[in-house]
Parts: sequence; C-alpha cells; structure tokens
Amino acid sequence: DTGVSQNPRHKITKRGQNVTFRCDPISEHNRLYWYRQTLGQGPEFLTYFQNEAQLEKSRLLSDRFSAERPKGSFSTLEIQRTEQGDSAMYLCASKPKPGTSVYNEQFFGPGTRLTVL
Amino acid sequence: KQEVTQIPAALSVPEGENLVLNCSFTDSAIYNLQWFRQDPGKGLTSLLLIQSSQREQTSGRLNASLDKSSGRSTLYIAASQPGDSATYLCAVGKGAQKLVFGQGTRLTINP
Repeated sequence: DTGVSQNPRHKITKRGQNVTFRCDPISEHNRLYWYRQTLGQGPEFLTYFQNEAQLEKSRLLSDRFSAERPKGSFSTLEIQRTEQGDSAMYLCASKPKPGTSVYNEQFFGPGTRLTVL
Repeated sequence: KQEVTQIPAALSVPEGENLVLNCSFTDSAIYNLQWFRQDPGKGLTSLLLIQSSQREQTSGRLNASLDKSSGRSTLYIAASQPGDSATYLCAVGKGAQKLVFGQGTRLTINP
C-alpha cells in the first residue's frame, strides 16, 4: 500500500495522560500536514512541515501539542496532559514537491480517532 | 480570514437523480479547490482538484466547477447511486500550504 498511513487507528486514554500518533506519508512527498476533525465538522488545520522544517502552526495547536518530523519522512503528533476536548479524529496528509506531479493535491490518511475519558 | 460554507448541511434524494452540492468561500485569492468524500469514521478520499486558473474538472459521473469571482464552487453528481452516500467536503487551498474546509454536506441516496 503506497498511501498515507497512520497509527494507531484508535486510541482511548484517560484525561491527563500523554498520547503520541504517527503518520507515514506517501514516499518522497516532502510536505506533510496535520488536521483535527471533531464530530460533524470539517477538518481544521493544525500544522505543516516541508521536509523536516515545521513552517506553520495553527493557534489551535496549544502548548500541550507538539509535532515533529525529524528526518523529513514520518511525523509524530504528541498531546500532553490530554483533556476531554481533545477527543477528535486526527488526520494526516501529504503532498508532492511542486513541479513533480500534475496532481498538486493533498492525500489523506485514514486518521487516528482519539477518545479522552 | 478565509471561511468556507457548504449548503445544504444534509441532502436526501432518490436513486438515479442528478444533484448539485454547493460550496462558497469568502476570499477569492485561492490557490486551488479540492472536493473530498468521507465515509463514516474514515479518512478523506480526494475526488476532484481544480486549480485557480481552471473553471471545471470532470471525473466519471462527477463534475466540479469553480467561479473565483463569485467565490463559489459546485459539485455535480449525475445518476446518483446508493454507494454515493457519504459526506462531501469542499476545501480551499490557501497558498501552497493548508486547506480550509467547509462543514460538509451529508448525502443520502435512497434505493
């Protein structure tokens, strides 16, 4: 499978615990995005990487959230001291370098559904 | 700040009908516009991408149009089938980076 993969697919945790999600983008896609989607809403942008550099962060990304892409390949999103309001679907997407494909679109993974009890 | 609105929020039609989903956006300075399909509890599947310089794109029974000056896009689905039942999301590309999404239209096709 050459699509975007995310792990785990589901995570249930207790309030106050830390959680970490992983995203593996499509091979050689240099741009990677994280979004959050709550029930009944469209996804909201969280952060964006070009290679290993984190170029933009949304104001939604509070101090409890941190994202990394250490080698410009996979990325992790960590939430510290989880709160019930963090319950959502966390989606990852990747996009090829400009000029490398006519398909200048973002390709999404299946998402990680987080439930905070 | 770019805002994207999709109307209606939900739509139910009998099988075989042609239908139109609407998307509007407030800032016409867009990079591209993408339509997605989302099945319950799943990720997003890209349906069509329209670059800012284009007016429409077609794929099978789907046709998407873009009118930047009026801040509107439509997704036309021909000869609807029960398998088309899903939530359809419109997203506007701001620069080359993030997408700004609408809330989606939940479509139900009744056999």
